[in-house]
Amino acid sequence: DTAVSQTPKYLVTQMGNDKSIKCEQNLGHDTMYWYKQDSKKFLKIMFSYNNKELIINETVPNRFSPKSPDKAHLNLHINSLELGDSAVYFCASSRGQENTEAFFGQGTRLTVV
Amino acid sequence: KQEVTQIPAALSVPEGENLVLNCSFTDSAIYNLQWFRQDPGKGLTSLLLIQSSQREQTSGRLNASLDKSSGRSTLYIAASQPGDSATYLCAVKDSGSRLTFGEGTQLTVNP
Repeated sequence: DTAVSQTPKYLVTQMGNDKSIKCEQNLGHDTMYWYKQDSKKFLKIMFSYNNKELIINETVPNRFSPKSPDKAHLNLHINSLELGDSAVYFCASSRGQENTEAFFGQGTRLTVV
Repeated sequence: KQEVTQIPAALSVPEGENLVLNCSFTDSAIYNLQWFRQDPGKGLTSLLLIQSSQREQTSGRLNASLDKSSGRSTLYIAASQPGDSATYLCAVKDSGSRLTFGEGTQLTVNP
């Protein structure tokens, strides 16, 4: 079983569209994250949720809205997509402040045309 | 604000060499440090986790050290193999559960 799974793996869409990326973890972790990896491969945190509560919200356009219906899921909705949103988006999970590993999904490659 | 730097940005070595990847961070108030591997077009695979109270961790041919006071970690890879070719990322976790990444070291091991 995949520990952290994201869908879809690839997403190609036109500018101005609204799209969602889903993430689920079956590790029993209480903290989930969204990271963006740009064309230079740098990973930057976007959001983090702990027990469905938003705890980290970086300087991200408000077109990006995370939603956590329960501890095991953290979805990312993006409105009015722009060319600059093209990147790979990674979901991750960990046990909050405990000294345990963070596990990452396989990524969603978003291409805005 | 935590900043993580990895040196070198790229490294190319012949098969069989031992090598060291470096990671430095600006704020020593970390919870742990984690080394990851990323293959092209793939996700991140966790290699080693070092807790803030630990000095090193070993897994097979990999050994990671942590000097929290000086803000440094190294990843030592023994007897490198072509299959080790990948980008290696270090990330530090703070008390707010934030994971901050370095820019990675792209390793190529030539047969």
